[in-house]
Amino acid sequence: KAGVTQTPRYLIKTRGQQVTLSCSPISGHRSVSWYQQTPGQGLQFLFEYFSETQRNKGNFPGRFSGRQFSNSRSEMNVSTLELGDSALYLCASSFLGAAGGETQYFGPGTRLLVL
Amino acid sequence: EDKVVQSPLSLVVHEGDTVTLNCSYEVTNFRSLLWYKQEKKAPTFLFMLTSSGIEKKSGRLSSILDKKELFSILNITATQTGDSAVYLCAVVVTGNQFYFGTGTSLTVIP
Repeated sequence: KAGVTQTPRYLIKTRGQQVTLSCSPISGHRSVSWYQQTPGQGLQFLFEYFSETQRNKGNFPGRFSGRQFSNSRSEMNVSTLELGDSALYLCASSFLGAAGGETQYFGPGTRLLVL
Repeated sequence: EDKVVQSPLSLVVHEGDTVTLNCSYEVTNFRSLLWYKQEKKAPTFLFMLTSSGIEKKSGRLSSILDKKELFSILNITATQTGDSAVYLCAVVVTGNQFYFGTGTSLTVIP
C-alpha cells in the first residue's frame, strides 16, 4: 500500500503571497489531519477533515484553511503569508480518525519558507 | 488548557545505555496516547496506549501508560546510534484532537 504523499516537498514564498499544499492519504483512509511543525512550538494541530467535512480545528487564524475532496485528497491553503508561517507542514491519514484511538500515518511533509 | 509535556528535552547517551523518556499530560476526554519517532523526516508510529499498566513492547523499545498519574514512559534498552531521533508523544482526546509534546531529542554516541 502506498503511503501518504504530500506535494510539493519544498516551497519558497514571499510575505503576502498565498500557498496551497496537497495531501493524498493512504488508500481507503477517510480522515486527513494537518499539522504545523516549528522548532519553537513543536507539532501543532491545524485541522482534520473526514468525508469532505472539517471535523475539528486547532487554534490557528482564519488565514489557514483547508478542504477535502471526494477521493479523500486534501488541500491546505494559507493566505497572506507571514514570516512566522515558515514551517514543516505535515499531513496524516487514518481510516476513521483518532476518535477510537486509531493511529495516524504521516506524510513526508512540505517545508515552507516565507521570505 | 490541554497540554502534553515531555522530559527531558534532550539526552545524550552512549551505545548500550538504557534510556527512559517521559510524557505527562493534562487533558480532558483522554482516548489514547501515542509515541512516534522522528528522524529527518515525518514521524513514524511506535506505540499506541489506551489502558493503564499494560506494557507494549517492540524489540528493544517498550512503553507503558499510567492513567491515574497521567503519564507514560518510553524505554529503550541497549541503545544504538540508529535510535538517535526526536521522540514525540501525542495524546488523543475525544473529537480526534491530537496534542503533541515538544519531543525529546535523543543522541546516541558510538
